[in-house]
Amino acid sequence: AQSVTQPDIHITVSEGASLELRCNYSYGATPYLFWYVQSPGQGLQLLLKYFSGDTLVQGIKGFEAEFKRSQSSFNLRKPSVHWSDAAEYFCAVAGGTSYGKLTFGQGTILTVHP
Amino acid sequence: GAGVSQSPSNKVTEKGKDVELRCDPISGHTALYWYRQSLGQGLEFLIYFQGNSAPDKSGLPSDRFSAERTGGSVSTLTIQRTQQEDSAVYLCASSRLGGTNEKLFFGSGTQLSVL
Repeated sequence: AQSVTQPDIHITVSEGASLELRCNYSYGATPYLFWYVQSPGQGLQLLLKYFSGDTLVQGIKGFEAEFKRSQSSFNLRKPSVHWSDAAEYFCAVAGGTSYGKLTFGQGTILTVHP
Repeated sequence: GAGVSQSPSNKVTEKGKDVELRCDPISGHTALYWYRQSLGQGLEFLIYFQGNSAPDKSGLPSDRFSAERTGGSVSTLTIQRTQQEDSAVYLCASSRLGGTNEKLFFGSGTQLSVL
């Protein structure tokens, strides 16, 4: 069965600083990987996804993620964080079924200091 | 509708009572998912619908939990004889066809509190 690990429960950065959120997955074949963001009281919104092709994927709100098969990682990055990026971020993997059943990581809470 | 709608947004109930949670997916989306989000457990898959059928119910935690979908649209998640450990946010999501690489559109969830 697939699994996802997000090693950092909580990250604090200053506005304007760069950001990297870590995600490691476990899956036997090529995975479908996703990053979702959840603002307080809101549902999850897709930031980006990877399922084939270029290992560096661009998403909304200036986010990008890089798939590294050798490290089983799919880390999320942003060059310059804005205060509005404060939220909880979830990495997820789909696979093993013919439908979009996701296995999520535990999430990383991002706090942005002015 | 414009997005996935869930009702109620908050539900407080007493232990042992039954509750029904409703999800209105995006019009035309054939796939519908229920997830549960709780402290310490993160986001857990509960059930997947394709049309009115539920080919994957593997995440339902006990036989107190059931769900149905009618008209290929609205879904209801029912929890019978609620327990305190059922307290969580219940999220509904839909996608156009249910493919593995499809984007899921999530509702804002129902916060369930069992006293």
